[in-house]
Amino acid sequence: NAGVTQTPKFQVLKTGQSMTLQCAQDMNHEYMSWYRQDPGMGLRLIHYSVGAGITDQGEVPNGYNVSRSTTEDFPLRLLSAAPSQTSVYFCASSSADSLNYGYTFGSGTRLTVV
Amino acid sequence: AQSVTQLDSQVPVFEEAPVELRCNYSSSVSVYLFWYVQYPNQGLQLLLKYLSGSTLVKGINGFEAEFNKSQTSFHLRKPSVHISDTAEYFCAVSDPTGGFKTIFGAGTRLFVKA
Repeated sequence: NAGVTQTPKFQVLKTGQSMTLQCAQDMNHEYMSWYRQDPGMGLRLIHYSVGAGITDQGEVPNGYNVSRSTTEDFPLRLLSAAPSQTSVYFCASSSADSLNYGYTFGSGTRLTVV
Repeated sequence: AQSVTQLDSQVPVFEEAPVELRCNYSSSVSVYLFWYVQYPNQGLQLLLKYLSGSTLVKGINGFEAEFNKSQTSFHLRKPSVHISDTAEYFCAVSDPTGGFKTIFGAGTRLFVKA
């Protein structure tokens, strides 16, 4: 099983460019989330989804869009990249079955905006 | 709104000594609580979780945590640490009625010295 797959692993963008970070899971998990990790700030929730067609904003949603057209995929779009979006981005998924709650994380995408 | 406070940003400890990593949370509703570990240059993995029932929960790698509702705490403990436990540890709180929206603390870096 692949688990949660994030692509790309590394990306450098120029200010103002747009791009999509890809996230796919093969565990049939209902819940998926995007986080950014910055030194000293832990993980901050950007957007999350409880199932296909349903998304909601997290703690730091500005500058990011998401959609969930299938259970498996949850892409994160940066609309117009800014240096403040330089970070490591993690996608995570979890079963909605309470006995199996708990996130499985991808390996991350390290994004630099110059 | 949920929030998590990890009271120590860094914890140095000698090998084979006991360790406690402290976590306090705030929430207006019942919560689920988690500890995750992140080894260098990797994603996060679930250590243990509290959903309901016994307030003492055991996880992987010999870690355990105790849920204390009156003190709104969920401290992580290990009786004897190894060099390989050197990593960053994150406490997280989830609202089970809010689509598993999960908020993380800022992290505690555990450094085990020989």
